[in-house]
Amino acid sequence: DAKTTQPTSMDCAEGRAANLPCNHSTISGNEYVYWYRQIHSQGPQYIIHGLKNNETNEMASLIITEDRKSSTLILPHATLRDTAVYYCIVRRDSGGGADGLTFGKGTHLIIQP
Amino acid sequence: GAGVSQSPSNKVTEKGKDVELRCDPISGHTALYWYRQSLGQGLEFLIYFQGNSAPDKSGLPSDRFSAERTGGSVSTLTIQRTQQEDSAVYLCASSLYPPGLAGGYNEQFFGPGTRLTVL
Repeated sequence: DAKTTQPTSMDCAEGRAANLPCNHSTISGNEYVYWYRQIHSQGPQYIIHGLKNNETNEMASLIITEDRKSSTLILPHATLRDTAVYYCIVRRDSGGGADGLTFGKGTHLIIQP
Repeated sequence: GAGVSQSPSNKVTEKGKDVELRCDPISGHTALYWYRQSLGQGLEFLIYFQGNSAPDKSGLPSDRFSAERTGGSVSTLTIQRTQQEDSAVYLCASSLYPPGLAGGYNEQFFGPGTRLTVL
């Protein structure tokens, strides 16, 4: 699976949009971009994933560049409860294989009141 | 219960003792995963079950680690002769589909974890 690079930490004001970048310059054609987050003392939580097109759900939006070498997770109206470590993962469609998720250090997003 | 549950939530043991960690996945989920998260580190994948079988055990850090899943549901992770470096949070996750199906979509639902401390 391709490696990802994320900033170590970011601050965002409550009520503003939080934009979390992720670089995945070695991504290959069959690899998806997944985002998870982990609130302190809890297990990771799935947020969103995409392949080529931008995606939106009730939690966030995912913007993937045309060359797919980077993406941005957008939390449109951040709240204090969005303070967490956000993980960007690039993962291939394993075709029935056994690989799990590999999380790096992620971005520690701190929402400021 | 609607989510993945794990027990115990905390386990303190002495070096050299064996421990068993339990995971109850979401009912109907075919795939089950075990991960380990050491303090301040990212998630480390350990093992994956599809039904009762584990196609790949290579992520287990040593032969002191073993896991089984019975009846396609509950799974147990066993650590024999625990060492201090085994101290970590052990997380279990389940997903409805195995990897590779549904166009790569494989949302994993995580349990709250078991915090293991080896003294």
